[in-house]
Amino acid sequence: NAGVTQTPKFRVLKTGQSMTLLCAQDMNHEYMYWYRQDPGMGLRLIHYSVGEGTTAKGEVPDGYNVSRLKKQNFLLGLESAAPSQTSVYFCASSYLQATNYGYTFGSGTRLTVV
Amino acid sequence: DAKTTQPPSMDCAEGRAANLPCNHSTISGNEYVYWYRQIHSQGPQYIIHGLKNNETNEMASLIITEDRKSSTLILPHATLRDTAVYYCIVRFSRLNDYKLSFGAGTTVTVRA
Repeated sequence: NAGVTQTPKFRVLKTGQSMTLLCAQDMNHEYMYWYRQDPGMGLRLIHYSVGEGTTAKGEVPDGYNVSRLKKQNFLLGLESAAPSQTSVYFCASSYLQATNYGYTFGSGTRLTVV
Repeated sequence: DAKTTQPPSMDCAEGRAANLPCNHSTISGNEYVYWYRQIHSQGPQYIIHGLKNNETNEMASLIITEDRKSSTLILPHATLRDTAVYYCIVRFSRLNDYKLSFGAGTTVTVRA
């Protein structure tokens, strides 16, 4: 069982470039999330999805778009990268009845925008 | 969701129990207490959660006070690999709302 897999693990972008971060889970979880973590800070929710074909905004959604075309995949897109989006991005997933289970997180994608 | 207060840092000797406090004085009756930890550069890892009763699993024990205004995570025999940032999160379980709100957490350093 791989759990939650994020690709790529590292990326350097130039300002204005676009990219897509991929999150894949093999646990048949209904819910998936994208968080960002800046140095010395806790995680902040960007977007989340409660099921295939559905997405919703979190705390800091501006500058990002997401899609969940398949239950096991959750994509995070940056259309025009800015230096303020330099961060570590974590994907997570959980069962619908999340009160009885914890979240499973991926190992992160370290993105630098220059 | 209720706000939590944790000390910013604490040290612990290897092999000893580590007791991590968390204050959540505004917790409501249906809010759960969750603990996660984040080892350097890795994704957060679920440790344990509880509602009213004390809980124990293979990683830790969770002690929740009777009034539920505070809790303590206990790592019974801390090892160097337990050095991490520990997050106490209080969350109300609502349908279609399973977001976790992470604060700054407690940086725990286990020393040999």
